[in-house]
Amino acid sequence: DGGITQSPKYLFRKEGQNVTLSCEQNLNHDAMYWYRQDPGQGLRLIYYSQIVNDFQKGDIAEGYSVSREKKESFPLTVTSAQKNPTAFYLCATRSSINTEAFFGQGTRLTVV
Amino acid sequence: RKEVEQDPGPFNVPEGATVAFNCTYSNSASQSFFWYRQDCRKEPKLLMSVYSSGNEDGRFTAQLNRASQYISLLIRDSKLSDSATYLCVVRRPRSGGSYIPTFGRGTSLIVHP
Repeated sequence: DGGITQSPKYLFRKEGQNVTLSCEQNLNHDAMYWYRQDPGQGLRLIYYSQIVNDFQKGDIAEGYSVSREKKESFPLTVTSAQKNPTAFYLCATRSSINTEAFFGQGTRLTVV
Repeated sequence: RKEVEQDPGPFNVPEGATVAFNCTYSNSASQSFFWYRQDCRKEPKLLMSVYSSGNEDGRFTAQLNRASQYISLLIRDSKLSDSATYLCVVRRPRSGGSYIPTFGRGTSLIVHP
């Protein structure tokens, strides 16, 4: 079953904790992206990766970190330095041939 | 000025109505334009790509005006199931030569009986 899998679907974090959001794809897409969406807002780019072992900061990278050790995986860590992490996090991928992006189902992170 | 701007709405229309959304983008070097649909608390899904010559998919028509840097989406014969948020997406250049999908904040459509 091809697609993009984000886990967990819901995540609760205590203040001061780091948490890692998973994004796995079996579409063989080269590019992967992490976006954050706040209520009533558009998607804002956190980090992106065009190829394995390479990634770039997006518009709101502070307080986040990523890795791209495998083509299939692009985990996002929300660190304690991120002061307002409660949001809907979306992972997307894109092939090098096509231009449209495809999304996972998202992870809702709540700080408690 | 935001990279991609949309009127957030909501647009409240009766079934059967025709409704149009516009979106403007700031970077003239942008390539590739799309409309995505996002239902409440779900991920965005591709509705249609937007081509320079304009394109149609059933009740949906998309147009691109590069000179004025805007794209539009027209929905004819609105259905209740069209109620959603419509996101304008533009692939714009970033440093290093990569083109990244950049999203507008979305336009909310509510179709009522």
